[in-house]
Amino acid sequence: LAKTTQPISMDSYEGQEVNITCSHNNIATNDYITWYQQFPSQGPRFIIQGYKTKVTNEVASLFIPADRKSSTLSLPRVSLSDTAVYYCLVGDYSSASKIIFGSGTRLSIRP
Amino acid sequence: EAEVAQSPRYKITEKSQAVAFWCDPISGHATLYWYRQILGQGPELLVQFQDESVVDDSQLPKDRFSAERLKGVDSTLKIQPAELGDSAMYLCASSLWQEIDTDTQYFGPGTRLTVL
Repeated sequence: LAKTTQPISMDSYEGQEVNITCSHNNIATNDYITWYQQFPSQGPRFIIQGYKTKVTNEVASLFIPADRKSSTLSLPRVSLSDTAVYYCLVGDYSSASKIIFGSGTRLSIRP
Repeated sequence: EAEVAQSPRYKITEKSQAVAFWCDPISGHATLYWYRQILGQGPELLVQFQDESVVDDSQLPKDRFSAERLKGVDSTLKIQPAELGDSAMYLCASSLWQEIDTDTQYFGPGTRLTVL
């Protein structure tokens, strides 16, 4: 099982770019990297997913180095509404036992 | 936008009582998941269904928890008897399962259970 390690918390200010790094040293060949966002009292929400190099969508970018042992979620120009917990998952989803949410990174955005 | 529905949103019960949670996934989603999330922690997967079949329930405490998805659509998670340590948010998620490796899960709002 590929376990992930993320910072427990991060602080930033509105308008800044925020980068959250996730370490997954034991990632397997078939594993994808997925990031979810969770607001208090809500279920997690899919942000972005990738396998290698760089993936970008309208919300974020995901950078994955060649060795795939880590990944970085990049949130451009954050706002107060980006205050949430961000989870990094690694797995192939073919078995429930491979889906592991860690404790996540609590991101706080200040005015 | 289609959403995963869950009910009730909140449930308060006394220990040793039975509780049940209901989930209606997004239409057409073959895969359904139940998670438990303790305050301050990430979601913990309890069970995964593919249509009406259980794919993996190895992390479900089967002495008191049960889950079913009889017609491969909506699902019920039951706890009997409830214990104080079961107080948590219970989340349901669904996915299309078109490409296993990239399966994106869509989560419902959850049911917050408090056991007194």
